[in-house]
Formats: sequence, structure tokens, C-alpha cells
Amino acid sequence: AQKITQTQPGMFVQEKEAVTLDCTYDTSDPSYGLFWYKQPSSGEMIFLIYQGSYDQQNATEGRYSLNFQKARKSANLVISASQLGDSAMYFCAMRDSGSSNTGKLIFGQGTTLQVKP
Amino acid sequence: NAGVMQNPRHLVRRRGQEARLRCSPMKGHSHVYWYRQLPEEGLKFMVYLQKENIIDESGMPKERFSAEFPKEGPSILRIQQVVRGDSAAYFCASSPNTEAKNIQYFGAGTRLSVL
Repeated sequence: AQKITQTQPGMFVQEKEAVTLDCTYDTSDPSYGLFWYKQPSSGEMIFLIYQGSYDQQNATEGRYSLNFQKARKSANLVISASQLGDSAMYFCAMRDSGSSNTGKLIFGQGTTLQVKP
Repeated sequence: NAGVMQNPRHLVRRRGQEARLRCSPMKGHSHVYWYRQLPEEGLKFMVYLQKENIIDESGMPKERFSAEFPKEGPSILRIQQVVRGDSAAYFCASSPNTEAKNIQYFGAGTRLSVL
């Protein structure tokens, strides 16, 4: 069965520094997609970045980059130059590519990031 | 959040009442997903719908929960005879298709509190 694991319940980072949020996954399917979402205290879910299993390069979106290590089945999110507004819960998710091929997402437990001034 | 609209944002119900949660997908999106988030947990898939069809309801409780996405109007998640354990945040997401690069855009969620 497919599974997403985020082992860091909480993380702290100093403003303007970089931080890495860990995510490992388990799947036997060769084709899959990995996503990161941000959930601030206001509660909405904000899409950050996507990585496809066949993508040759690591995905980047502004200050967000994804350290994709396929052999290790890890898809860590790197946030550079942290800002106070980055304080939030971060979720890693994987597209379920089961036989039904519905595109539903499987989420990890989340990591709470706090940026210190 | 790219225009997925959910209402209400907050809903309070007493045990035994019905809860109706609405979701209007982004313009041009015909695929709708509902997820539930319990406190301090990640989101769990409930149901996936296309216009007028339920495609996958493998995450829906067998009783009291139902969902629809009519030809006209928003998608509705309906919970009958609510119990305290139904208290959670319910998120709707939409996408244009189910391809691998499919990005699901989420609404702001509905926080259901059952008294």
C-alpha cells in the first residue's frame, strides 16, 4: 500500500535561513506524483510544489525546491531564506496511482514549522 | 487557493442534526475531491466526483455520509444524524483532470463542530 511519512512533528528555523522538511514515501508504482502543501493557521491548504516520478530535475518554485531522491524514496522540501510568513503546517502528499487512477492524494501527518525572528 | 469556494466556513450542529457542506470548484474544473482532517492530522480522502457521477467513494463512511455533484450547482457533502466524532475540517479540492501532473487546488475548508 502507498504511504507517506513525515517524521518531524515540529521544526524551528531562524528567519532568513534555509530549512529542510523531510518526506519519505512508499509505492510500488513506477509512475507517481509528489506534492507539498502549506496550511497556515488560518486553515486553508495552499499548493506549493509538484514533482513527477519521471522528472529529470528537482522541482523549484521561487524559494521552494524539492530534493527528490528516487532511490531513497524521499522528497524533502527545502525553503530558502525563511520568512515569518512561512510559519505554518506543511504536508507532503502523493498521488494515489492505484488501479482506479482517480488522482486522489495520500497525505503525510504534517510538519509544523516555526520561523523565529 | 485559486478560486475553490467552500461554504460555510464554520458550521455548528447538535448531535442528530444534518450538515450540508458546499463546494464550488474552480472554473473549468470538472473533478471534485472531498477530504477530512481531524485535529493534528493530515487530510484523508473521502470521495471523488465528476459531474453527476461518483467515481470513487472508498474513503466515505458507509452510513450517514453522502456526496453529489449535480450538473448545475456546487458539490454537496451531506452528513446525516451527526455525531461528535464527525467534528473535523472538511476540505474540497478540484482539478481539471486526473493526469499525473494534476494539481488539486483546495478550498478554505468547512470546520464542523458537533455539540
